[in-house]
Amino acid sequence: EPEVTQTPSHQVTQMGQEVILRCVPISNHLYFYWYRQILGQKVEFLVSFYNNEISEKSEIFDDQFSVERPDGSNFTLKIRSTKLEDSAMYFCASRPGLAGGYEQYFGPGTRLTVT
Amino acid sequence: GQNIDQPTEMTATEGAIVQINCTYQTSGFNGLFWYQQHAGEAPTFLSYNVLDGLEEKGRFSSFLSRSKGYSYLLLKELQMKDSASYLCAVLGDSGYSTLTFGKGTMLLVSP
Repeated sequence: EPEVTQTPSHQVTQMGQEVILRCVPISNHLYFYWYRQILGQKVEFLVSFYNNEISEKSEIFDDQFSVERPDGSNFTLKIRSTKLEDSAMYFCASRPGLAGGYEQYFGPGTRLTVT
Repeated sequence: GQNIDQPTEMTATEGAIVQINCTYQTSGFNGLFWYQQHAGEAPTFLSYNVLDGLEEKGRFSSFLSRSKGYSYLLLKELQMKDSASYLCAVLGDSGYSTLTFGKGTMLLVSP
């Protein structure tokens, strides 16, 4: 069964460094998402991406964050200058077009630790 | 704004039935999801309700009342592997299907 994949599974970085989290959504899906979950807290929406552009973003998704779909298969989240409070699990999700339903398929996540 | 409430923790015994409630007040609504999340893992889809009523899928059922802003997830014949966090999530009506999650209910199933 097709699945969303994410790399790396765990990333440790120093405060102020840039990180890029990578995701490969399910191949025929059209909508892509990033969520984060700080340890012990709820899953929070960051950004949605459709038709090669951001469709929605939350207040969390400030100028330090950016997303890209560079080659038609990968979907990346970049954090330009990491802060301690960016430490969280980051989940990528994708879903088909409207005819395929609203279920979002989540990847296994990347645990980001900022020291 | 969005407000989704569910109990923090619940305990039950193997073989029993448990009901996890979720209430929501949201500015837009296009359905409600239940996800299961084991510690350190991704959320996995359990159910989606957009119309009022009960949806049954094996041991799991989910109910929605839009007028009351209320849903529940019913788990029957509990197994040890059902110990997990259960996330209630509201689907927005923007067209891009943003999910707003509750804090999750940690269910512990004991022998």
